[in-house]
Amino acid sequence: DGGITQSPKYLFRKEGQNVTLSCEQNLNHDAMYWYRQDPGQGLRLIYYSQIVNDFQKGDIAEGYSVSREKKESFPLTVTSAQKNPTAFYLCASSMTASSYEQYFGPGTRLTVT
Amino acid sequence: DAKTTQPPSMDCAEGRAANLPCNHSTISGNEYVYWYRQIHSQGPQYIIHGLKNNETNEMASLIITEDRKSSTLILPHATLRDTAVYYCIVLMIKAAGNKLTFGGGTRVLVKP
Repeated sequence: DGGITQSPKYLFRKEGQNVTLSCEQNLNHDAMYWYRQDPGQGLRLIYYSQIVNDFQKGDIAEGYSVSREKKESFPLTVTSAQKNPTAFYLCASSMTASSYEQYFGPGTRLTVT
Repeated sequence: DAKTTQPPSMDCAEGRAANLPCNHSTISGNEYVYWYRQIHSQGPQYIIHGLKNNETNEMASLIITEDRKSSTLILPHATLRDTAVYYCIVLMIKAAGNKLTFGGGTRVLVKP
């Protein structure tokens, strides 16, 4: 089965701790994205990567970090510097950075208390 | 990217066609119209996109007006599984990083 997997589905952390969200794709896509969604809101772009070993900041990158050491993996770290980390995090990929169709994973719901 | 306006919600009877309108009066000539949907607590799903011509795929049809200022997504035979929030997005394809900016969308409830 081809697709994007995110784990875990639900994640709970204490304030002040860094946490890393996993995103893996076996679609052989070059581009990968991280979005954040707050209740009743649309998606906001955190980071994106056009190709392995490259990534760019999105609209709300502060308090987050990413790496893209492998084509199939694009983990997101939510650091303690992120002031409101509780949210639904969505990872997506597309064949290339200019592709119109993005495939989304099931999401990780992060709760920080 | 041009802004879109969609009704906040609509109901549809199961088995009937659902027609979802979207206004994008400030769209420019090289901007595409995309539709995604998001079922509760899941990742968004691409449905269809178009530039000028009407488009159809296995999920839906997209009708774009001649002046491109509005469009309609048609789900030909709505099922209960089509209950979701539907987002109309106008986007110019760039070489680097096509960001999806979702507005409020239309919350569609398919009723038996």
